[in-house]
Amino acid sequence: EVQLVESGGGLVQPGGSLRLSCAASGFTFSSYEMNWVRQAPGKGLEWVSYISSSGSTIYYADSVKGRFTISRDNAKNSLYLQMNSLRAEDTAVYYCARDTDYYSFDYWGQGTLVTVSS
Amino acid sequence: QSALTQPASVSGSPGQSITISCTGTSSDVGSYNLVSWYQQHPGKAPKLMIYEVSKRPSGVSNRFSGSKSGNTASLTISGLQAEDEADYYCCSYAGSSLRMFGGGTKLTVL
Repeated sequence: EVQLVESGGGLVQPGGSLRLSCAASGFTFSSYEMNWVRQAPGKGLEWVSYISSSGSTIYYADSVKGRFTISRDNAKNSLYLQMNSLRAEDTAVYYCARDTDYYSFDYWGQGTLVTVSS
Repeated sequence: QSALTQPASVSGSPGQSITISCTGTSSDVGSYNLVSWYQQHPGKAPKLMIYEVSKRPSGVSNRFSGSKSGNTASLTISGLQAEDEADYYCCSYAGSSLRMFGGGTKLTVL
């Protein structure tokens, strides 16, 4: 059974940093591209970042470019999102999501809440 | 990077059919047959319902169907059931592994 479990969310002050993790199991993690998608409270979904299976290709949404860094450790079956210079508008539930060959997200984690507030 | 346009809400009675539209541009929806649709119940993670415009993942009811014309994709749910009440989001590939989500549509089953 495919499982994605996010962790690392919490309350952080504006300008602060946080590192999210996503532990994958039930599939060959190193063979799949992965993404982070977020959802602000009461709002819609927003794609945040993409990383290729090897980690060699990375893309970001304009809203987080230069502040967030996606990475992965295939030996540990883990995906990460380093978030720096956090703003109030980054407050959201952050999901990790597995990519498919058809550019859709077939499995999602349960999400981890990040709250940026003083 | 602007969100795709979806109606904020739609509603229908049990047994009826509804259609949710998703309008993008020639740079995303209009350029690729790579539109997907997600169902999200309150407090839950999204679930993939349609990919590549009109394909259903294993286990998704055939009451769900998708289509596309020009820059607009559509999700149709036939034979509405109470359990279909949820938020629905479209998503399109926009080149270079970038993705665009719609703003979401709240489906109410009357």
